[in-house]
Amino acid sequence: TQLLEQSPQFLSIQEGENLTVYCNSSSVFSSLQWYRQEPGEGPVLLVTVVTGGEVKKLKRLTFQFGDARKDSSLHITAAQPGDTGLYLCAGAKQGAQKLVFGQGTRLTINP
Amino acid sequence: GAGVSQTPSNKVTEKGKYVELRCDPISGHTALYWYRQSLGQGPEFLIYFQGTGAADDSGLPNDRFFAVRPEGSVSTLKIQRTERGDSAVYLCASSLGGLDYGYTFGSGTRLTVV
Repeated sequence: TQLLEQSPQFLSIQEGENLTVYCNSSSVFSSLQWYRQEPGEGPVLLVTVVTGGEVKKLKRLTFQFGDARKDSSLHITAAQPGDTGLYLCAGAKQGAQKLVFGQGTRLTINP
Repeated sequence: GAGVSQTPSNKVTEKGKYVELRCDPISGHTALYWYRQSLGQGPEFLIYFQGTGAADDSGLPNDRFFAVRPEGSVSTLKIQRTERGDSAVYLCASSLGGLDYGYTFGSGTRLTVV
């Protein structure tokens, strides 16, 4: 059973388009993180959101934590080939030190 | 070092053999985590150390898996009587004080059991 469901699992779009990746759960998380992973490398932390409704921006990437802290989204504006990679969401329960990861969204941006 | 170092980067072993995977965290990071990532999946938690002690080992799949961190720095993940289902990328991460400080992951050890 996947505690965090990401959708879509695969996404291939053209350079310049916008996209949104979703991370959903029936559980409440105290914080949620987004990572990006390249082949042969470990995940790299992009952002942490901790407050329901919180929105954070990182250049062309916008991250939102749902009001009920059960879901999150990642929106990329004007996607570029350098955005290609595996995007992972990961949640932490209150008081826990471990992360629960989604299965990932494999994003390909075609030039 | 500048980042989390994991050795070896690749390990091929025969079914039934014993393997050790090493993680060298960022200097000064007290928290250390092991995760396992199977093909096409997100990482799955195995064990968390705070200093020398295992604060949470609830993710270890069975008693063939064991991890140590005797001096609060380098950690070794040990797998006895390896099975083909153990094949995965084993990721180590460290953190300055815990989850709130964010993780830094190593590049992982790709373990293949044949």
